[in-house]
Amino acid sequence: GIQVEQSPPDLILQEGANSTLRCNFSDSVNNLQWFHQNPWGQLINLFYIPSGTKQNGRLSATTVATERYSLLYISSSQTTDSGVYFCAVRGSGGSNYKLTFGKGTLLTVNP
Amino acid sequence: NAGVMQNPRHLVRRRGQEARLRCSPMKGHSHVYWYRQLPEEGLKFMVYLQKENIIDESGMPKERFSAEFPKEGPSILRIQQVVRGDSAAYFCASSPKGTSGRNEQFFGPGTRLTVL
Repeated sequence: GIQVEQSPPDLILQEGANSTLRCNFSDSVNNLQWFHQNPWGQLINLFYIPSGTKQNGRLSATTVATERYSLLYISSSQTTDSGVYFCAVRGSGGSNYKLTFGKGTLLTVNP
Repeated sequence: NAGVMQNPRHLVRRRGQEARLRCSPMKGHSHVYWYRQLPEEGLKFMVYLQKENIIDESGMPKERFSAEFPKEGPSILRIQQVVRGDSAAYFCASSPKGTSGRNEQFFGPGTRLTVL
């Protein structure tokens, strides 16, 4: 099946810093989503971005499908940004309904 | 527009008991997915259902686990004779479409199962 790798696995920032999280995937995809799992365990949808660039406030994402990677940018980080960021993809082959998740990036933003 | 609803949020069972987890999809969504997050592991797909049909259960353990999405009411994930290794967070997701078009999946808050 499709493989998803995220980097870095851990990231510690001071409030106000910027960061870039990366997601590499091993095959062509029909769907790519970024999620934030907050400290209470809830999964929050950030972006649905199988290709192109999107922005939502301090967050933006870019997916280059032909090169099989996606980037999540967080600017002017806040302590509430802490948590685990997951990239998840759905492969384009056959009857592939499931999202395959990466292992996530654990982000800690210190005040 | 209410999001995906899951209940209970926390469930404690003793070994050998049954666990029943419920999921109500977002309004207008007819596709339901269950995922499991084990400690120290990522989220793993378990099963994909549409109303009254199991479409893909390739991620479900072969024994003790079953899922349904009846014509009326929520989707149910049932775990019989639970063991400690079943302790995990179980997430339900829903989407308006299955495989074609924009099939963004939206997740519920999860059910945290603890087996004593």
